[in-house]
Amino acid sequence: AQTVTQSQPEMSVQEAETVTLSCTYDTSESDYYLFWYKQPPSRQMILVIRQEAYKQQNATENRFSVNFQKAAKSFSLKISDSQLGDAAMYFCAYAGNNRKLIWGLGTSLAVNP
Amino acid sequence: ETGVTQTPRHLVMGMTNKKSLKCEQHLGHNAMYWYKQSAKKPLELMFVYNFKEQTENNSVPSRFSPECPNSSHLFLHLHTLQPEDSALYLCASSQERQSNEKLFFGSGTQLSVL
Repeated sequence: AQTVTQSQPEMSVQEAETVTLSCTYDTSESDYYLFWYKQPPSRQMILVIRQEAYKQQNATENRFSVNFQKAAKSFSLKISDSQLGDAAMYFCAYAGNNRKLIWGLGTSLAVNP
Repeated sequence: ETGVTQTPRHLVMGMTNKKSLKCEQHLGHNAMYWYKQSAKKPLELMFVYNFKEQTENNSVPSRFSPECPNSSHLFLHLHTLQPEDSALYLCASSQERQSNEKLFFGSGTQLSVL
C-alpha cells in the first residue's frame, strides 16, 4: 500500500526567507501524481502545486516550487520569499492508479515577521 | 457566490440527535467528495459521488448517510453519532473523478459530538 510521510510536524521561517518542506512516499507504481495542498486558518484546503511522475521537470507556481526525486521517492516543497499569508498547514498527497488520494499528516508552517 | 460552500460552520450535537451537513458547489463540477479530518490522522475519504452516483464508500459506518440530489449539492446526514466522530468534515469537488484532478474544498464543518 502507498504511504506518504511528512517528517516535519512544525516549521518556521522568517518573512522574505526561503523554507523547504519535506515529503517522502512509498509506492510500487510508476505512474502517479503528487500534490501539495495548503490549509490556512480559514480551514479551506487549496492546491498549491501538482506534479506528474512521468515529467522530469520540477513543477513551479510563482514562489512555490518542488524538488521531485522519483528514484528517492521524495517530493519537497520550496517556498521562496515567504509571506505572512503563507502561514498554514501544508499537506503532501499522492494519487495513483486507484485515483484515491493518500495524504500525509501535514506540516504546520509559521512565518515570523 | 463561487467555489464550495459548506454549512453549518460549527455543529454541536448529542449522540441521539439527527443533523445534516450541507455542501454546495458553484463550479460546474461533476465529482463531489466527503472527507473527515481528525487531529494526528491523515485525511480520510468517506464518500465519492460522480455525476450524482455514489461511486465510493470507504467503509464508513451507517450512522453517516450521504445524499447527492444533483451535481451541485451534497449532504451528509448524521444520526446516533459517537464522540469519536468529532472532527472537521470537509466537502470537495472536482471536474472529473481522475487521479490528477485538482480538488476544490469548502471550509468544513467542525463537528463536536457530546
